[in-house]
Amino acid sequence: KAGVTQTPRYLIKTRGQQVTLSCSPISGHRSVSWYQQTPGQGLQFLFEYFSETQRNKGNFPGRFSGRQFSNSRSEMNVSTLELGDSALYLCASSPEGLRQLWAANEKLFFGSGTQLSVL
Amino acid sequence: AQTVTQSQPEMSVQEAETVTLSCTYDTSESDYYLFWYKQPPSRQMILVIRQEAYKQQNATENRFSVNFQKAAKSFSLKISDSQLGDAAMYFCAYRSARRGSGSRLTFGEGTQLTVNP
Repeated sequence: KAGVTQTPRYLIKTRGQQVTLSCSPISGHRSVSWYQQTPGQGLQFLFEYFSETQRNKGNFPGRFSGRQFSNSRSEMNVSTLELGDSALYLCASSPEGLRQLWAANEKLFFGSGTQLSVL
Repeated sequence: AQTVTQSQPEMSVQEAETVTLSCTYDTSESDYYLFWYKQPPSRQMILVIRQEAYKQQNATENRFSVNFQKAAKSFSLKISDSQLGDAAMYFCAYRSARRGSGSRLTFGEGTQLTVNP
């Protein structure tokens, strides 16, 4: 089974631009979540999507948005980029499904991330 | 809100020796999951081991085991017979088991483990 795929691996943008990152979860996984990793702030939760609906949102400004498609693929968008948005963006998928299956499906599987540099 | 703390920014161990990484957390919930993830230079987060809070028995996965102390809110990772491939950043993470809380993880700051040959 293919793992979580994130594209692109590396991205360089300038301040003020916008960027879209893509994440394809493991086949059959319906939950996709996004994390930002920086040396100063560590790993911070951005948002989570489940069956095309945003289920949770972290404490990030509205410039950060996302969506999930019917095939569970997800995209996140950052508008009006700032220097501080430079980070590794990690996507994770989870097989979480029905409540009675939840206890066995709490694992998250991560992609290799997209390294975004804002100049 | 839950918090996770890893007080050891860096640790080192000799190959074949044993090392323990510390993690403490704070939560008011009684049902949750705890994880240790490993992030090698490839940047991919790899699940090492997980623990369900309702289970008193400590989880074990081959050379990796945990010491879960629920009352003390402590969750340490022991790596036995350390190998060069164990060198990585290790993150402790918390996930609520409350229905509707989703799959959100709260991570600690990480511990950089060096394995010396």
